[in-house]
Amino acid sequence: DQQVKQNSPSLSVQEGRISILNCDYTNSMFDYFLWYKKYPAEGPTFLISISSIKDKNEDGRFTVFLNKSAKHLSLHIVPSQPGDSAVYFCAFHNTNAGKSTFGDGTTLTVKP
Amino acid sequence: DAGVTQSPTHLIKTRGQHVTLRCSPISGHKSVSWYQQVLGQGPQFIFQYYEKEERGRGNFPDRFSARQFPNYSSELNVNALLLGDSALYLCASSFYSSKNIQYFGAGTRLSVL
Repeated sequence: DQQVKQNSPSLSVQEGRISILNCDYTNSMFDYFLWYKKYPAEGPTFLISISSIKDKNEDGRFTVFLNKSAKHLSLHIVPSQPGDSAVYFCAFHNTNAGKSTFGDGTTLTVKP
Repeated sequence: DAGVTQSPTHLIKTRGQHVTLRCSPISGHKSVSWYQQVLGQGPQFIFQYYEKEERGRGNFPDRFSARQFPNYSSELNVNALLLGDSALYLCASSFYSSKNIQYFGAGTRLSVL
């Protein structure tokens, strides 16, 4: 069963505009929600996270929103920069099980 | 400071062979997790080890096994390789087993012919 879904395999935005990436999940046992960024030939790198008791977390240009009733997670990047072009994975962590479940990724392209 | 290091970076094997992949975590990190990433998909959890004990296991067959050493480095072993085992194998470390933020290595690209 697919517990995590990133519905958009790709997203293209103009430099300076907002990028919005989305994930949906079904498992209520997740207690931390994270975003990772991956460049080619590198491993994923942590970007931003939010715990299940919050609905928003901001870090500079990056904001993560959690809607628990809708089981929906989103990442906003504003303003978007060409260096943000990468694959973005949402990851859902179950502390008791000690594991993270990843979405299939969204390839973001920011055009100059 | 060195990040998570994995070896080898690339590997080619034939069906039926076995393979050992190695991972050195960030200094001070005691937890190591292994993930398999098939092209076009996200990383899939295989194992987590903490203080040399298995703390979590994903939905993978018994052909997959792992261990963690006293210096917290880890090995992933895969026996009787199948074509479908071709993937990028990622190792991630964190300080505690319950820590949600993981630091990934660049991975080992395994091709099974």
